[in-house]
Amino acid sequence: GAVVSQHPSWVICKSGTSVKIECRSLDFQATTMFWYRQFPKQSLMLMATSNEGSKATYEQGVEKDKFLINHASLTLSTLTVTSAHPEDSSFYICSARGSPNTGELFFGEGSRLTVL
Amino acid sequence: TQLLKQSPQFLSIQEGENLTVYCNSSSVFSSLQWYRQEPGEGPVLLVTVVTGGEVKKLKRLTFQFGDARKDSSLHITAAQPGDTGLYLCAGWPGGFKTIFGAGTRLFVKA
Repeated sequence: GAVVSQHPSWVICKSGTSVKIECRSLDFQATTMFWYRQFPKQSLMLMATSNEGSKATYEQGVEKDKFLINHASLTLSTLTVTSAHPEDSSFYICSARGSPNTGELFFGEGSRLTVL
Repeated sequence: TQLLKQSPQFLSIQEGENLTVYCNSSSVFSSLQWYRQEPGEGPVLLVTVVTGGEVKKLKRLTFQFGDARKDSSLHITAAQPGDTGLYLCAGWPGGFKTIFGAGTRLFVKA
């Protein structure tokens, strides 16, 4: 299957700082990538759809200015958590669709963010 | 709003037992995926079902897609501790978004 790599796997930062998480499709081109947030023992919550060369589409209730998404190339999308606060601590996961015809998603390894 | 109801949400069983996880919706899906996720990692694709009534087997796991493509089940035979994890069903109606079930957290005791 297609490979999606996410970096960093975990990050600890101080409140008020910004953190960038990268999501790369390693063996295929992804015009669309998805960013999720996962709370403990829960399913995935879609935050936004990242579109190569255009603005991301955010889900209702997700702050665009807090969670900046950039999809500058066909293999890289980044999520920047700006002015992070402890309530932003979570597990963030990206995914990309390997084929436009099957709906299959391939996920990154996830990034654990802890804001002190 | 499309919903995908997954049950049970939590399952704790002994090694060797069988179990079934269900996903149900009132919406029709073009395809449905099952993923397994371990703590601290991203979900991993187990299977995709596309055709109504389709049955796929992956070792001790059997996946079925309903005839109307609105529901699916995952059956595990003789569960092992290595099957422990979060199982997610995900329906794809076509287009961009995928609809995720709430997940089933499976714990298999040795």
